[in-house]
Amino acid sequence: GEDVEQSLFLSVREGDSSVINCTYTDSSSTYLYWYKQEPGAGLQLLTYIFSNMDMKQDQRLTVLLNKKDKHLSLRIADTQTGDSAIYFCAERGVDSNYQLIWGAGTKLIIKP
Amino acid sequence: DAMVIQNPRYQVTQFGKPVTLSCSQTLNHNVMYWYQQKSSQAPKLLFHYYDKDFNNEADTPDNFQSRRPNTSFCFLDIRSPGLGDAAMYLCATSRARDGRGYEQFFGPGTRLTVL
Repeated sequence: GEDVEQSLFLSVREGDSSVINCTYTDSSSTYLYWYKQEPGAGLQLLTYIFSNMDMKQDQRLTVLLNKKDKHLSLRIADTQTGDSAIYFCAERGVDSNYQLIWGAGTKLIIKP
Repeated sequence: DAMVIQNPRYQVTQFGKPVTLSCSQTLNHNVMYWYQQKSSQAPKLLFHYYDKDFNNEADTPDNFQSRRPNTSFCFLDIRSPGLGDAAMYLCATSRARDGRGYEQFFGPGTRLTVL
């Protein structure tokens, strides 16, 4: 079945860039999403990218999509302590009307 | 601000005692979802409503039921909670067009504890 994989942890220094990676298996993916979850909170939609795009930028966030390699990344520039959270990658395939396939989440740890 | 609201934020119940969690939205989205999320895991879709049409995931236990009396509200009923049902329950909404749901917006979640 379809699968989405992420590293479980990423540790970066405050002020550096964070790059969170995600790989997926469904070649028919249409939309790919990044969600942020702070401790004890719900999921916040950060950004998404449509499969016919290579890149999307929104302030400090840059999403890169390599459709050939089925690789998605989220770059956070100038990482701040408030960016400390779990980041989930999710994708929706062309045959899936509502179901998202979720990665296990990457916990971003900020070192002072 | 348009939003997804969940009540209560924290719910404690006893083993086997029915509990109802509620979700409301001001986004006027026609799709509403219920997810279960256990610690350090991805959210797991339990079911969703497309307008009044209920769609159950194949592996959702019968112990979990849902009601959507109108566009704005959706309820999750757990008929006989077990210890394994302790989790964060997340409600989400999305608009839909041509039978396809778009990006999902989540509420803050209800943390359920089963004693």
